[in-house]
Amino acid sequence: GENVEQHPSTLSVQEGDSAVIKCTYSDSASNYFPWYKQELGKRPQLIIDIRSNVGEKKDQRIAVTLNKTAKHFSLHITETQPEDSAVYFCAGYTGGFKTIFGAGTRLFVKA
Amino acid sequence: AAGVIQSPRHLIKEKRETATLKCYPIPRHDTVYWYQQGPGQDPQFLISFYEKMQSDKGSIPDRFSAQQFSDYHSELNMSSLELGDSALYFCASSLTELAGASNTGELFFGEGSRLTVL
Repeated sequence: GENVEQHPSTLSVQEGDSAVIKCTYSDSASNYFPWYKQELGKRPQLIIDIRSNVGEKKDQRIAVTLNKTAKHFSLHITETQPEDSAVYFCAGYTGGFKTIFGAGTRLFVKA
Repeated sequence: AAGVIQSPRHLIKEKRETATLKCYPIPRHDTVYWYQQGPGQDPQFLISFYEKMQSDKGSIPDRFSAQQFSDYHSELNMSSLELGDSALYFCASSLTELAGASNTGELFFGEGSRLTVL
């Protein structure tokens, strides 16, 4: 089955700096890679996703890149703000009806 | 817009008791998922249902069972509760693309049910 590894586990940046979170996946058949943001005590919510036929996708300050050959994808947040502080999960989907999450990255944005 | 509804939001049980969590997916969503999230952990996939049939199974203990009913709501039944079952249980729903019967859609999570086992 799919295995998703995510790093770093914790990331601390200064407000205005960029943050990059990386994930690798094991199943080359994976075709959908979402990123979820979870604030403390709240539910995970999708912030951006990418499908396997696309190399990069941007939405304002966030972007995701996918390297299918290397089987890794990354989340990029530019001009970070304190409200970006949260736990970010990458996920992989291969088929069937389950999405496998990475272990999460706790992002701290210092004002 | 309607979201995924979970109940109860909080539940306190003693060891060896039974608990039932309920989930009402977004209308027209045909797939329901259950995840367990321990403190500081990632959501662990338990089980999913597509069109009321069990579609995939993850790390769900034998003490747990789940089903999806004719109105698409789902229930997660947990018996012989253990201290380690204390966690936040999320239900999520999605609309599965019919082409190829593959699910490539966004998961919409409920607010979660926090189970505390004493």
